[in-house]
Amino acid sequence: DSGVTQTPKHLITATGQRVTLRCSPRSGDLSVYWYQQSLDQGLQFLIQYYNGEERAKGNILERFSAQQFPDLHSELNLSSLELGDSALYFCASSVTLSADTQYFGPGTRLTVL
Amino acid sequence: AQKVTQAQTEISVVEKEDVTLDCVYETRDTTYYLFWYKQPPSGELVFLIRRNSFDEQNEISGRYSWNFQKSTSSFNFTITASQVVDSAVYFCALSEWTQGGSEKLVFGKGTKLTVNP
Repeated sequence: DSGVTQTPKHLITATGQRVTLRCSPRSGDLSVYWYQQSLDQGLQFLIQYYNGEERAKGNILERFSAQQFPDLHSELNLSSLELGDSALYFCASSVTLSADTQYFGPGTRLTVL
Repeated sequence: AQKVTQAQTEISVVEKEDVTLDCVYETRDTTYYLFWYKQPPSGELVFLIRRNSFDEQNEISGRYSWNFQKSTSSFNFTITASQVVDSAVYFCALSEWTQGGSEKLVFGKGTKLTVNP
């Protein structure tokens, strides 16, 4: 158990809908990262927050957004969902901004029908 | 941009065999970190090791060992006396600096290891 929690574990929804994925980092970790794992793209970095501020953006679609709250938990919002958004979404956390190990949560499996 | 290549898509071995998973990387950074993660069938990503680019010493942890060679940009992972529980997808990853002063991970495509009894 990495100490990073993600909810829900599974999510099934329809095209055009909006969902919110939640992540709680390990105790003491200030950085939260979101990654997407799909069959065709593999594991790809989406976005990073550090102590409430966005610090890095990767291949994140404009339909996706995220935020980190004062209690350091983070939410990833996915809207206008398409079939291709079906994937495993991971949250990871680390203590510092960089030069640190990222510990991953169990992931949220999103299925868009 | 950084790139990680895991040329072996799938490997199948019989229990107790030794197996080496290859990882080759490309980077223009002088300081970077290399990682290995394990993804068992249950789906979570389990951290195995982090290696600093300045530390080329090989590392051993139980049946696991890692060989880092900067000259060939490789960071290979060997499992000695493999066990069925080692069956998983193994990912090699490389840190990449971002404009915000942080680091993200760039992952290889993964190697699926199947250990048969």
